[in-house]
Amino acid sequence: GAVVSQHPSRVICKSGTSVKIECRSLDFQATTMFWYRQFPKQSLMLMATSNEGSKATYEQGVEKDKFLINHASLTLSTLTVTSAHPEDSSFYICSAEMVPGANVLTFGAGSRLTVL
Amino acid sequence: AQSVAQPEDQVNVAEGNPLTVKCTYSVSGNPYLFWYVQYPNRGLQFLLKYITGDNLVKGSYGFEAEFNKSQTSFHLKKPSALVSDSALYFCAVRLQGGNTPLVFGKGTRLSVIA
Repeated sequence: GAVVSQHPSRVICKSGTSVKIECRSLDFQATTMFWYRQFPKQSLMLMATSNEGSKATYEQGVEKDKFLINHASLTLSTLTVTSAHPEDSSFYICSAEMVPGANVLTFGAGSRLTVL
Repeated sequence: AQSVAQPEDQVNVAEGNPLTVKCTYSVSGNPYLFWYVQYPNRGLQFLLKYITGDNLVKGSYGFEAEFNKSQTSFHLKKPSALVSDSALYFCAVRLQGGNTPLVFGKGTRLSVIA
């Protein structure tokens, strides 16, 4: 079946630094990937839709200059949290669909970011 | 805009008893509905989905859900709960058309007590 891999699974960084999180579709190509953010004991909030070869579409209230998304290939999307602050600490999860419209979305295991 | 409501933050059930986790939705047009489960510090695992057809959908690990259009509900059920079913459950809705994201409910924590 379809597998989505995220790296790193955990990262701790100092305030003001930037952190990159990778989302890879291991055995399929994904023209579209979705990035979510989950606060403790809360739901997944859609941050942005990552489109291969074009700009990401951000949800209202998500700062595109802070959360840089690059979907440079059909198997890789990256989320870079720039100038991270403690309030950016969260669980970031990506998802992708092996066959667009098939309604089988696969989620990565998530990346827990802690900003000190 | 579509939305999903999970009215219960927490559901407690004794092992061996039936369980129900509630979900209602709001969407214009025909909904695509999903249930996912999340274990601590993990991503989401797919349980089942309703796209069209039979209102009763059977999924993974013995779970099932019933689509009720008149009540705009999609409750998750299992006839006999296991302790290992304890986790966070999310209901989600998706617009038709492909390449659209899932919109999640706030989640319901299920605790199955031995």
